[in-house]
Amino acid sequence: DGGITQSPKYLFRKEGQNVTLSCEQNLNHDAMYWYRQDPGQGLRLIYYSQIVNDFQKGDIAEGYSVSREKKESFPLTVTSAQKNPTAFYLCASSPLTGTNGPQHFGDGTRLSIL
Amino acid sequence: DAKTTQPNSMESNEEEPVHLPCNHSTISGTDYIHWYRQLPSQGPEYVIHGLTSNVNNRMASLAIAEDRKSSTLILHRATLRDAAVYYCILRGNSGYALNFGKGTSLLVTP
Repeated sequence: DGGITQSPKYLFRKEGQNVTLSCEQNLNHDAMYWYRQDPGQGLRLIYYSQIVNDFQKGDIAEGYSVSREKKESFPLTVTSAQKNPTAFYLCASSPLTGTNGPQHFGDGTRLSIL
Repeated sequence: DAKTTQPNSMESNEEEPVHLPCNHSTISGTDYIHWYRQLPSQGPEYVIHGLTSNVNNRMASLAIAEDRKSSTLILHRATLRDAAVYYCILRGNSGYALNFGKGTSLLVTP
């Protein structure tokens, strides 16, 4: 079945450590997104990419980095510069044709600090 | 994107219809109205979207006011699996990301 796969489901980070969250999609979508969700809050955009080898910062990009080397993959690195990384991270994708097609989400990665 | 206002929470009995309201008084003529829902510990799931006319799909119906300043998501028969946070989002032509607010937390009781 087509969909978005995020891994791992749970991740723990030590102080000063960089961690990378995986996001893979087999929907042949051009656009991919990373959101962060804190408890009881809505989603906030970290980064998005409309095409391979190109990406743009969202509202809260500081302390995060991404790459888009393949259409199917959009990994997110949470760097040691992100001082409050504990959150639920969600990856999404959508077609690029128009801006009103639905976004498809993965099941998220929950990141915690050790 | 323009802002939406939703009640923080609503409660419904199982097998009853549910009407989830959304106000968007500053909506522009090109903004689509999208609804997503999020079950606990899962990613959001697309429900329905529309521009001016009412829309129906297998999950729900979307009723849009004539002046487009408000809309209502209708679940025809609530089930326990419909308990989730429901987000009403306006999506214009600029930008591709979705602007999620806090949504409405729907509780369904047997």
